[in-house]
Amino acid sequence: EVQLLESGGGLVQPGGSLRLSCAASGFSFSNYAMSWVRQAPGKGLEWVSDINYSGGSTSYADSVKGRFTISRDKTTNTLFLQMHSLRAEDTAVYYCARFAAYDVWGYYFDYWGQGTLVTVSS
Amino acid sequence: EIVLTQSPGTLSLSPGDRATLSCRASQSVIDSYLAWHQQKPGQAPRLLIYGASTRAAGIPDRFSGSGSGTDFTLTISRLEPEDFAVYYCQRYDTTPKTFGQGTKVEI
Repeated sequence: EVQLLESGGGLVQPGGSLRLSCAASGFSFSNYAMSWVRQAPGKGLEWVSDINYSGGSTSYADSVKGRFTISRDKTTNTLFLQMHSLRAEDTAVYYCARFAAYDVWGYYFDYWGQGTLVTVSS
Repeated sequence: EIVLTQSPGTLSLSPGDRATLSCRASQSVIDSYLAWHQQKPGQAPRLLIYGASTRAAGIPDRFSGSGSGTDFTLTISRLEPEDFAVYYCQRYDTTPKTFGQGTKVEI
């Protein structure tokens, strides 16, 4: 059974940093592209970033480019999102999602984690 | 900017009714690379449809998707109580992986 378990969320002050993790199990992590998607309170879904199967290709939403970094560790089957210079508008539930294949283009999200809440506030 | 516009914003229906949700793209979607996701309150999204019309594993056949180019539709033939949720369309032929703003199906 595919499982994605996010952690690392919490309360952080504006300008602060946080690192989110997504522990993957039930599938061959190294063979799949992965993504982060967020949802602000009461709002819709917003794609944040994705990474291909090897980690050699990454993409970011304009709203986080230069502040967030996506990465993956095949030895621990974990996806990461390092977030710096956090702003109030980054407050959201952050979901990790699996692409249906190794690449990010032309493939959809077939599994989602339960999410971790990040609150940016003083 | 590539935009997906969903309509209506809210659909008020009863169990047993037919639901028709629309998703319109500002630019044509390549190869019908469009998905639909369902989200219930307090839960993660769940994939329903990909490739505009292919049901994901385990999705009941009362859910169907159609369309191509810029106009897509999600149809729920007979609403069950568990179908009352928010539905998002999403295109995956581009970066960013744009989502529509969602349609809430409520009782």
